[in-house]
Amino acid sequence: GNSVTQMEGPVTLSEEAFLTINCTYTATGYPSLFWYVQYPGEGLQLLLKATKADDKGSNKGFEATYRKETTSFHLEKGSVQVSDSAVYFCALSVTSGSRLTFGEGTQLTVNP
Amino acid sequence: DTAVSQTPKYLVTQMGNDKSIKCEQNLGHDTMYWYKQDSKKFLKIMFSYNNKELIINETVPNRFSPKSPDKAHLNLHINSLELGDSAVYFCASSRAGVNRLNYGYTFGSGTRLTVV
Repeated sequence: GNSVTQMEGPVTLSEEAFLTINCTYTATGYPSLFWYVQYPGEGLQLLLKATKADDKGSNKGFEATYRKETTSFHLEKGSVQVSDSAVYFCALSVTSGSRLTFGEGTQLTVNP
Repeated sequence: DTAVSQTPKYLVTQMGNDKSIKCEQNLGHDTMYWYKQDSKKFLKIMFSYNNKELIINETVPNRFSPKSPDKAHLNLHINSLELGDSAVYFCASSRAGVNRLNYGYTFGSGTRLTVV
């Protein structure tokens, strides 16, 4: 079956530090890959996505590249802010309109 | 102008009660979902409807019954609530893409259910 594995959290960084959250996946076919973010007390927001190999998704300074050869979609940001503190979820779907399969989520805390 | 709206946002109820959570999307999407988020933040799909037809029904107790009166609405009814049902329930919607184009999924803000 399809699955997503994220690096274990929680992750605590100082402001302006470099962020990497690892994500690897197992899927049949050619999945689309997503990063969602959940701020405290809120729902999930789409952060970025990539629908085919070598695509790079980017938004709000975050980036992730779809690597088929390593089945990975690591999230990176060059300089985090306190406002980036949230839970980040890596997810995949095999076809549009099918279920999203989520990773376990990674709690990020950024200290001033 | 909320794209996917759920009501209520908070629901506190006693064990054994029956309750419903409502979801509506105004995006014109044809597929809607219910996800459950447990206390460790893990998200698991429960149900999915496409144009009012049930297409995903995960291993969920039959006390949970989804109902989709039209493609813009997907409600979740829960009978005989148990302590273990306490969680955050998210509604989501998506639209079918062509040529493997995947537009992503839009989530509601969640319903925090607490069973006491």
